[in-house]
Amino acid sequence: QVQLVESGGGVVQPGRSLRLSCAASGFTFSAFGMHWVRQAPGKGLEWLAVISYDANNKYYADSVKGRFTISRDKSKNTLYLQMNSLRAEDTAVYYCAKDGVRLYYYDSSGFSNFFDSWGQGTLVTVSS
Amino acid sequence: DIVLTQSPATLSLSPGERATLSCRASQSVSSYLAWYQQKPGQAPRLLIYDASNTAAGIPARFSGSGSGTDFTLTISSLEPEDFAVYYCQQRNTWPTFGGGTKVEIK
Repeated sequence: QVQLVESGGGVVQPGRSLRLSCAASGFTFSAFGMHWVRQAPGKGLEWLAVISYDANNKYYADSVKGRFTISRDKSKNTLYLQMNSLRAEDTAVYYCAKDGVRLYYYDSSGFSNFFDSWGQGTLVTVSS
Repeated sequence: DIVLTQSPATLSLSPGERATLSCRASQSVSSYLAWYQQKPGQAPRLLIYDASNTAAGIPARFSGSGSGTDFTLTISSLEPEDFAVYYCQQRNTWPTFGGGTKVEIK
């Protein structure tokens, strides 16, 4: 069965960096786009970024554009989120999520996907 | 961005009752709307995609309907494990989520 396991969260000072990982198993990783979604404490869900199945296309929410970078390593079946210049408002549980449709093509139109599997999340706390 | 407004914010019902949750979009999303269930301390779980398609492994008591700007998630008869927060999500543009509806035990 599909399994997504995030790691790399923790407490970090404002302005510093952190890299999250999401280890994937139970499906053909290279055939599915992958996303990062976050949830601030007691709040709703916010989509952050997507990377296409072939890693050729990446798109970001305005709230993290220029600060966060999504990437993937097909040899390790792992998704990453490099987070730079962290702010207090970035404090949240970060989830990786899998596209619901195989080989889904992403372009700048924004037409996107639903998320059929999620990891358990990793907590990032930005605090001095 | 497309704004999704869910109502009510909280729904207080008893097991066995029917639950009707609403999600309204600020502009048409065609049928590209999904519903998720989230329990405390857990990740969201996909229930419904593209307005009315039930995800794999989801019980038949969950159903979705709607198109354009108005959508509904119906739970025909609440089971104890259905008390949770429910979110809608559109994919007609970059994904956005509604603010959630909490279904609580009356």
